[in-house]
Amino acid sequence: EAGVVQSPRYKIIEKKQPVAFWCNPISGHNTLYWYLQNLGQGPELLIRYENEEAVDDSQLPKDRFSAERLKGVDSTLKIQPAELGDSAVYLCASSYLSWDSSYNEQFFGPGTRLTVL
Amino acid sequence: GDSVTQMEGPVTLSEEAFLTINCTYTATGYPSLFWYVQYPGEGLQLLLKATKADDKGSNKGFEATYRKETTSFHLEKGSVQVSDSAVYFCALSAYGNKLVFGAGTILRVKS
Repeated sequence: EAGVVQSPRYKIIEKKQPVAFWCNPISGHNTLYWYLQNLGQGPELLIRYENEEAVDDSQLPKDRFSAERLKGVDSTLKIQPAELGDSAVYLCASSYLSWDSSYNEQFFGPGTRLTVL
Repeated sequence: GDSVTQMEGPVTLSEEAFLTINCTYTATGYPSLFWYVQYPGEGLQLLLKATKADDKGSNKGFEATYRKETTSFHLEKGSVQVSDSAVYFCALSAYGNKLVFGAGTILRVKS
């Protein structure tokens, strides 16, 4: 079974440029997450989707970050314009949310490492 | 808010040594607790989990016990191997399937 796929794996851009990251979750997973991982720190949730709906985007800096999950499958995370402080790893994860379970395991992709110069 | 604190690394051990990585948490309610592992160049993988007090999670020789009285979930392994070298993250989920991670601990095992 294919895991969570992310592209690109690496991206180098200059500040003020736009950038986009793509995620393809595991087939059948209805919940998708974007995390930000700064160097030497644990991942922090940016946004969570249940199907097409963003159910938790409280940590997403909405002035420059946007995300979408059309048709409830693939998702794109965009930054425009990028700042130096956005250099980090952006992780995508997916899970199958069932209402009769207290927790549904999240499966992570390899991440996209962004460097802003 | 909810938070996780884990011991700073890097932790450097010789092969077959005993491993402990400390993890404590702060949360409202009764969270589920997890250890994730990140091998070089790979995504995070769930290593083990415990969903209620006194539960013991175990996998691949690693163990951790959910201690509500000390709000801890320390990771242990009796005999580490070079292949265990990775970054280990302690995490909790209190509600809404939202994971809160610690900062991670780098483990280096020498042969």
